[in-house]
Amino acid sequence: DTEVTQTPKHLVMGMTNKKSLKCEQHMGHRAMYWYKQKAKKPPELMFVYSYEKLSINESVPSRFSPECPNSSLLNLHLHALQPEDSALYLCASSQSQNPNTEAFFGQGTRLTVV
Amino acid sequence: GQNIDQPTEMTATEGAIVQINCTYQTSGFNGLFWYQQHAGEAPTFLSYNVLDGLEEKGRFSSFLSRSKGYSYLLLKELQMKDSASYLCAVKGYSTLTFGKGTMLLVSP
Repeated sequence: DTEVTQTPKHLVMGMTNKKSLKCEQHMGHRAMYWYKQKAKKPPELMFVYSYEKLSINESVPSRFSPECPNSSLLNLHLHALQPEDSALYLCASSQSQNPNTEAFFGQGTRLTVV
Repeated sequence: GQNIDQPTEMTATEGAIVQINCTYQTSGFNGLFWYQQHAGEAPTFLSYNVLDGLEEKGRFSSFLSRSKGYSYLLLKELQMKDSASYLCAVKGYSTLTFGKGTMLLVSP
């Protein structure tokens, strides 16, 4: 199993809603990542978890709140988002944060904030 | 910080060979990755270079020169399904930074 599974695939939410994005992998990877990708732009790193601890937060606004309940799961809790937060949110995992480990990406959640 | 540069768009015909270049300036370097991304889909891993030289994988090859801060992805025997965005990504001390991607359009 070399899959990273993200749910939901599509999400439309209002600016006052609270929702969560979920990511799951069963490859035994100990590093997990959240990226944000706007149309025709490269993925931009948001958060990195290493061994279930937050190791990198790329100055992401507090309306995005990550959570890593266990080594297989990564959540992104969303609250009071803005329309400009509409994007493809990609989860990725790698064996560790060591340099030569490739990252496997999930299919992403297409988020629209209305 | 990281600065990664690659062409925005390229076009080629089916059966041809195309080379996509990537130049980078980084504060730390621990390898260079190439990913393929079809519209609306996740990036998929193509190759990884950490030492100078050429890595070949079927129709795809990737080259790295660390002294020049330069890499290229070579695609041979192009197929229509190769139409996609190709992302160059540099691994710094612990994180992966992506270039803006090169949109490749393969025509019949």
